[in-house]
Amino acid sequence: NAGVTQTPKFRVLKTGQSMTLLCAQDMNHEYMYWYRQDPGMGLRLIHYSVGEGTTAKGEVPDGYNVSRLKKQNFLLGLESAAPSQTSVYFCASSSVLLAKNIQYFGAGTRLSVL
Amino acid sequence: SQQGEEDPQALSIQEGENATMNCSYKTSINNLQWYRQNSGRGLVHLILIRSNEREKHSGRLRVTLDTSKKSSSLLITASRAADTASYFCATDAGSWGKLQFGAGTQVVVTP
Repeated sequence: NAGVTQTPKFRVLKTGQSMTLLCAQDMNHEYMYWYRQDPGMGLRLIHYSVGEGTTAKGEVPDGYNVSRLKKQNFLLGLESAAPSQTSVYFCASSSVLLAKNIQYFGAGTRLSVL
Repeated sequence: SQQGEEDPQALSIQEGENATMNCSYKTSINNLQWYRQNSGRGLVHLILIRSNEREKHSGRLRVTLDTSKKSSSLLITASRAADTASYFCATDAGSWGKLQFGAGTQVVVTP
């Protein structure tokens, strides 16, 4: 059981370049989330999705776009990368069942924007 | 803005000792969760305590919750080197499953 898989694991971009981060989960979870983690700041929510075809903004959505065309996949896009987007990005998923909202995380994508 | 604030930011102990870390938050919650992050890895859920609970145990972990003070503590008893990690509290205020994470406590357990 793979859980939550993120690709790629590492990426270096030049300012202005674009890229897409892929998150895939095999737990049939309804909710999916994208976070960024910066030193000393914990995790900050970028965007989230409560179901296939739906997305919503989180705490720090500027400069990012997302899509959830399939229930198992959640894509995070950077249209024009900036050095301020250098960070570690984590995807997570959770189930609406049991009213617990325990989140399951991927291993992260380390992105450097030069 | 972060909902949770952890204290201390860093903690260094020896194997066998207990580690205690605290989390304070600002708004009403449905539950509070603790996660562990090993270096270079994703977060892993440790334990969840609901707003109507005061204490919860799981193995060597003990979590308390004081909703009147909006605070929680995580105690790891008889620490092992493998407990070296960052620990994060996260609050669930019931808004579409979203969690608010604190900045974390970095724990180092030396043999």
